Amino acid sequence: DSGVTQTPKHLITATGQRVTLRCSPRSGDLSVYWYQQSLDQGLQFLIQYYNGEERAKGNILERFSAQQFPDLHSELNLSSLELGDSALYFCASSEQSGQAIGGTIYFGEGSWLTVV
Amino acid sequence: ELKVEQNPLFLSMQEGKNYTIYCNYSTTSDRLYWYRQDPGKSLESLFVLLSNGAVKQEGRLMASLDTKARLSTLHITAAVHDLSATYFCAVRDTSGTYKYIFGTGTRLKVLA
Repeated sequence: DSGVTQTPKHLITATGQRVTLRCSPRSGDLSVYWYQQSLDQGLQFLIQYYNGEERAKGNILERFSAQQFPDLHSELNLSSLELGDSALYFCASSEQSGQAIGGTIYFGEGSWLTVV
Repeated sequence: ELKVEQNPLFLSMQEGKNYTIYCNYSTTSDRLYWYRQDPGKSLESLFVLLSNGAVKQEGRLMASLDTKARLSTLHITAAVHDLSATYFCAVRDTSGTYKYIFGTGTRLKVLA
């Protein structure tokens, strides 16, 4: 158990709908990262937050948005869903933006999203 | 933009054999990670390599880093079936954002 908690574990929804994925980082970790993993795209970096502020943005679609709240949990909002958004969405966390010597990022179990 | 490439993408090997997975990255970075992922599961951290020439070993896996060549290797010694998984390397972008970019992954299948 990495200590990173993601909900829901599985989600099936229709095209055009909106969903919210939730992540609670490890205790004490200030950074949260979101990744999308699909069969043909590998592990794609979406966005990173550090202590409530957006730190880095990757290949995140405009239909997607995220935020990190004062209690450090994060939410990834996916709207106007398309079939191609079906994927495993991972949240990961690290301490101090990963600057700690030897620091690594720890992944949650992921949220399986199926768009039908 | 930082790019990370792994090869091979797929690897099927017999138990007891040795093999190496390669990870190349395009710009300087201050650390490199190796992760293991079982099908449908989370990513498990294996190694963190911080400096040129760093070598770490855990069981049948050994990882090394050459920062000058921007190359890391994951060497598998006397493979066993339990090592079957997908292995990812990841590099930390030091352009100021500290985002982690993952390689394409190497799907390893060890045949009994």
